[in-house]
Amino acid sequence: GNSVTQMEGPVTLSEEAFLTINCTYTATGYPSLFWYVQYPGEGLQLLLKATKADDKGSNKGFEATYRKETTSFHLEKGSVQVSDSAVYFCARTPTQGGSEKLVFGKGTKLTVNP
Amino acid sequence: GAGVSQTPSNKVTEKGKYVELRCDPISGHTALYWYRQSLGQGPEFLIYFQGTGAADDSGLPNDRFFAVRPEGSVSTLKIQRTERGDSAVYLCASSSGGGETQYFGPGTRLLVL
Repeated sequence: GNSVTQMEGPVTLSEEAFLTINCTYTATGYPSLFWYVQYPGEGLQLLLKATKADDKGSNKGFEATYRKETTSFHLEKGSVQVSDSAVYFCARTPTQGGSEKLVFGKGTKLTVNP
Repeated sequence: GAGVSQTPSNKVTEKGKYVELRCDPISGHTALYWYRQSLGQGPEFLIYFQGTGAADDSGLPNDRFFAVRPEGSVSTLKIQRTERGDSAVYLCASSSGGGETQYFGPGTRLLVL
């Protein structure tokens, strides 16, 4: 299949804590992988992406590395801020060069307390 | 430049009624996508257009749902004989195609009573 499984939330952290949100995908072909973020009251925004194995996507202090051997794309940030409170979605395309539809995980809600 | 816009932002209707949801993509984007997001879930793909044609409609749940994009820009998602289970946020996204980044609109929250 073309599924995405991500860590269930909610996740609550204190400011400046280290964040990891796990994401794994079923190994069908060579998908592109994405993290989208949905801030309270706002639409989905692309946070970062990686299109091939060993690529690292990064943005706003967040990073994720495309690991083909473990079929994972875990999201990390070294020091979270209150403004990072949001729902994070891992997503993939079905296969490289295939349909452009995105398949999303269920989302992980992150709350960062001051 | 303007992002993806969707109208209405909220729609309340009664079971059995017909609704239309509109999406205005980013100017120049050739690809347009519809997703549905139920409470506590990630978005689920419905259909995507490349230009005026539906390139993949495999996500439409049944024949009550259909979408059009007659001039390759604005798209309308149409739901006939609405059911309570259709209540969700309907998201539209657009891209320049070829696997490029999809930019999402704010969504239309549909509530079927």
